[in-house]
Amino acid sequence: SQQGEEDPQALSIQEGENATMNCSYKTSINNLQWYRQNSGRGLVHLILIRSNEREKHSGRLRVTLDTSKKSSSLLITASRAADTASYFCATRMDSSYKLIFGSGTRLLVRP
Amino acid sequence: DADVTQTPRNRITKTGKRIMLECSQTKGHDRMYWYRQDPGLGLRLIYYSFDVKDINKGEISDGYSVSRQAQAKFSLSLESAIPNQTALYFCATSELSGGPDNEQFFGPGTRLTVL
Repeated sequence: SQQGEEDPQALSIQEGENATMNCSYKTSINNLQWYRQNSGRGLVHLILIRSNEREKHSGRLRVTLDTSKKSSSLLITASRAADTASYFCATRMDSSYKLIFGSGTRLLVRP
Repeated sequence: DADVTQTPRNRITKTGKRIMLECSQTKGHDRMYWYRQDPGLGLRLIYYSFDVKDINKGEISDGYSVSRQAQAKFSLSLESAIPNQTALYFCATSELSGGPDNEQFFGPGTRLTVL
């Protein structure tokens, strides 16, 4: 079963705009990770946020985590056409080394 | 990521055939994973291995088997392929040290079609 569910399923924005994707999960977690997948290729790790953290930044990426609402958001600022990809959240539950992936958000950044 | 390679990259086979997908890594990681991805769904874990002597079932292991031949090699077999095993298959690795914060590194994927 899917632990994480992303919202929206698809997002289309103009280059330069910000893109926000949300992830909701069901059970308590150790950490939450975001991955990017370019069409038909492997996933690439973007950022990890631990359960005791509320916000984290990496370049143009900003991730927030609200454990009370069991949700996370990924913000990409000043988007570029090269950001076009699918974005997945993945949760690691307590005492587990397994990642559970959501179904992903497909982002299209129009030039 | 060229550090994790998968062969073949594409494979078309027929129902009932035995298929092996191979994964090799040069990252020196102890942990290796096999996932499948279906359209509109995220990745689902098939099997994982934390070292050469350790094999564990994931969410959807039925119809699959694995072999960890060495630290660097982890193979996935479909003993008798069926059409609903048509999917994109990914191998991934992660470090042993550092605990559950470790990111996973993915191979480029194998697109398998079962006719």
